[in-house]
Amino acid sequence: NAGVTQTPKFRVLKTGQSMTLLCAQDMNHEYMYWYRQDPGMGLRLIHYSVGEGTTAKGEVPDGYNVSRLKKQNFLLGLESAAPSQTSVYFCASSYRGGGPQHFGDGTRLSIL
Amino acid sequence: RKEVEQDPGPFNVPEGATVAFNCTYSNSASQSFFWYRQDCRKEPKLLMSVYSSGNEDGRFTAQLNRASQYISLLIRDSKLSDSATYLCVVNIRNTGNQFYFGTGTSLTVIP
Repeated sequence: NAGVTQTPKFRVLKTGQSMTLLCAQDMNHEYMYWYRQDPGMGLRLIHYSVGEGTTAKGEVPDGYNVSRLKKQNFLLGLESAAPSQTSVYFCASSYRGGGPQHFGDGTRLSIL
Repeated sequence: RKEVEQDPGPFNVPEGATVAFNCTYSNSASQSFFWYRQDCRKEPKLLMSVYSSGNEDGRFTAQLNRASQYISLLIRDSKLSDSATYLCVVNIRNTGNQFYFGTGTSLTVIP
């Protein structure tokens, strides 16, 4: 049982490059979330989804886009990476709104 | 104002000690409450949900005070393996069920 899987685990980008982070869950959860975690700050919600085909903005959505074409996958895109987007990105899922979240093991992204 | 505030610590306690963490939240519409632990460079993992009546899981006890809008976590008989950062998490239903995280409280249990 894999739970929540994130790919890639590490990535280094140059400013202006684009990339997509993939999150996959095998628990049939409806809700999925993307967070970023920066030193001295709590996890901050970027975007989330309450079901297949839906997405919504979180606390810090600027510079990111997401898609949820399949229930099990939630993609986070950076169209034009900026150094301010250097962070650790966590994906999470929950079976219902307000329910406990299960996290992937993170993607460490550095933008030079 | 942050939605969730925690004392960042660090808390350094000897093995066997009892330690308590507090967390305050600002939105009275908060519906669900959790404590997560996060080890260095790892993902957060659910420690326990927090219920209105308070709840206990082994050496861990969580309390919720809705009137004062704070949550607490008590760890008894601390083990070396309890060393981690403890995150207070609040879910606010009228924000689309978004979760808000505190910055975490660092605990080191010393032999």
